[in-house]
Amino acid sequence: EAGVAQSPRYKIIEKRQSVAFWCNPISGHATLYWYQQILGQGPKLLIQFQNNGVVDDSQLPKDRFSAERLKGVDSTLKIQPAKLEDSAVYLCASSAWAANEQFFGPGTRLTVL
Amino acid sequence: LAKTTQPISMDSYEGQEVNITCSHNNIATNDYITWYQQFPSQGPRFIIQGYKTKVTNEVASLFIPADRKSSTLSLPRVSLSDTAVYYCLVGGNAGGFKTIFGAGTRLFVKA
Repeated sequence: EAGVAQSPRYKIIEKRQSVAFWCNPISGHATLYWYQQILGQGPKLLIQFQNNGVVDDSQLPKDRFSAERLKGVDSTLKIQPAKLEDSAVYLCASSAWAANEQFFGPGTRLTVL
Repeated sequence: LAKTTQPISMDSYEGQEVNITCSHNNIATNDYITWYQQFPSQGPRFIIQGYKTKVTNEVASLFIPADRKSSTLSLPRVSLSDTAVYYCLVGGNAGGFKTIFGAGTRLFVKA
């Protein structure tokens, strides 16, 4: 079975620019997660979708971050405008249902200069 | 949301059994305990999940005492390739399964 796909794998931008990340979860997985992982720290949940509805976005900086999951499949995470502290790896994960095993993608490494 | 506490790091030698304990004093009745492994430059990978007593799979065992306020991940006969960060998560389905990763335990396996 194909895993979670993410693109791009790497992105370098300057502060105040915009950036978008894409995630394609495992087919049939209802739950999709976006995490931010800063070097040396554990992943921090930004947003969790159940199908195309938001379950938890309490840690999403909504003044600059947005995410959507149209049609309950693919998802995009956008940062506008980016700040230096947004430099991190952005991980997407999916699971068959909310309490089940999460499968992670390879992540997108973002560097903000 | 239950918070977890794990040792920051552990060292071991090849062939030894490694036990990593996680404290979760505020675990709720419907919370599961899940462990993940993460190698550098990769996303976390599921190891094992349990609710109570003992769970075993092909790579690890998870021991959960009756009060469920802690859990222990046991890795039998570790090898150099088990060097990684191990995360303990606690979460349940109340209002949606909410996952909080702590800082994890950095396990370093030496030859």
